Amino acid sequence: QLQLQESGPGLVKPSETLSLTCTVSGGSISSSPYYWGWIRQPPGKGLEWIGSLYYSGSTYYNPSLKSRVTMSVDTSNNRFSLRLSSVTAADTAVYYCVRQPFPSVTATFDYWGQGTLVTVSS
Amino acid sequence: DIQLTQSPSFLSASVGNRVTITCRASQGINIYLAWYQQKPGKAPKLLISTASTLQSGVPSRFSGSGSGTEFTLTISSLQPEDFATYYCQQHSSHPPTFGGGTKVEIK
Repeated sequence: QLQLQESGPGLVKPSETLSLTCTVSGGSISSSPYYWGWIRQPPGKGLEWIGSLYYSGSTYYNPSLKSRVTMSVDTSNNRFSLRLSSVTAADTAVYYCVRQPFPSVTATFDYWGQGTLVTVSS
Repeated sequence: DIQLTQSPSFLSASVGNRVTITCRASQGINIYLAWYQQKPGKAPKLLISTASTLQSGVPSRFSGSGSGTEFTLTISSLQPEDFATYYCQQHSSHPPTFGGGTKVEIK
């Protein structure tokens, strides 16, 4: 059974960089044709797609966050990462790592991590 | 970006009731609309893709329909485990976007 697990600091200071890692188990991140990505959900609010990547390193970001987002993949350790720079309180959210079952950034999201709350506060 | 508007944003229903949730897209998305269920403190779960394709393991009381700009999620007979928040998501164009959610509570 495929499992995704987010890890990283739960508290980040304003203007600093949020960094999260998603470790995949029960399957290979290099398996075609899946994309892997990040979605966030501010407390009590809706869902926002942040970006997705392919194991080859191709990345696709939400235009609303593109200037601050970097995603990368580590196939040797079966994991991928998110970096979000210059964070503000508006970036406080539960961050989910996800899998997309088709080789398209516009595909659905069929596997989700449990989510990790990141709070931006001094 | 394609905007998705869900209605209602909140509904109160009893076990056994038939429930319908609507999702309207700001532009045509063919049949590329998915539905998710989220329970408190949990990640969303994919229920339906391409408007009406039920995912493996999802009870048949869930169904989806629609195309173009108007879509519906129907729960034919609401069960206690169905009380949750439901989100639609368009998987037609970049960036993928979600509706604002519909919270289904016990009456």
